[in-house]
Amino acid sequence: EIVLTQSPATLSVSPGERATLSCRASESVRSYLGWYQQKPGQPPRLLIYDVSSRATGIPARFSGSGSGTDFTLTISSLEPEDFAVYFCQQRFNWPRVTFGQGTRLEIK
Amino acid sequence: QVQLVESGGGVAQPGRSLRLSCAASGFSFNTYGMHWVRLAPGKGPEWVAVISYEGSTKYYADSVKGRFTISRDNSKNTLYLQMNSLRTDDTAVYYCAKALGDMYYFDSWGQGTPVTVSS
Repeated sequence: EIVLTQSPATLSVSPGERATLSCRASESVRSYLGWYQQKPGQPPRLLIYDVSSRATGIPARFSGSGSGTDFTLTISSLEPEDFAVYFCQQRFNWPRVTFGQGTRLEIK
Repeated sequence: QVQLVESGGGVAQPGRSLRLSCAASGFSFNTYGMHWVRLAPGKGPEWVAVISYEGSTKYYADSVKGRFTISRDNSKNTLYLQMNSLRTDDTAVYYCAKALGDMYYFDSWGQGTPVTVSS
């Protein structure tokens, strides 16, 4: 099983500032990594797939980068609605995809 | 737009069974593989099972293999998850999810149905 480790567990950032979230894979997942956002009481929402492709309707302030084992989700200028939990997910060894444990982005 | 509505969750004792359903609308259900994903409190999501668009191919997470069965009825636009021999660590919110094209990312999710396994 490919283990995804997200850091930090909690990130405190002020609105308008940049947020950088990390995801590290236990082995290479090439470019097959995505990111989700989840707010309380809602299902996860796909933000980014295959490292850097934004899903439909996702604002340009969300961007992804990385390859192999180290990946980053960047939110360039935080809006109030961006404070949520973020998960990474690999699809390299489908069907047994795996997710990270999440990073909580909170208001500073 | 895509709509997925799960039902069938609830409280069950260890060793008992539950059957989840997911009613789909707003897309061509019979052309997409469909998944079940669960989210336990304090943990990241866990992929549970997938079924191909016509129902002939199924895969399961090791944690549920032999206990859970995924199925679909394309005439009713409905996805199912039969959960037998439930364990306390099956406690989670269960979501049905539609894949992004033929990629194993999930671009549409239901609101989820909670399952609690407790004696």
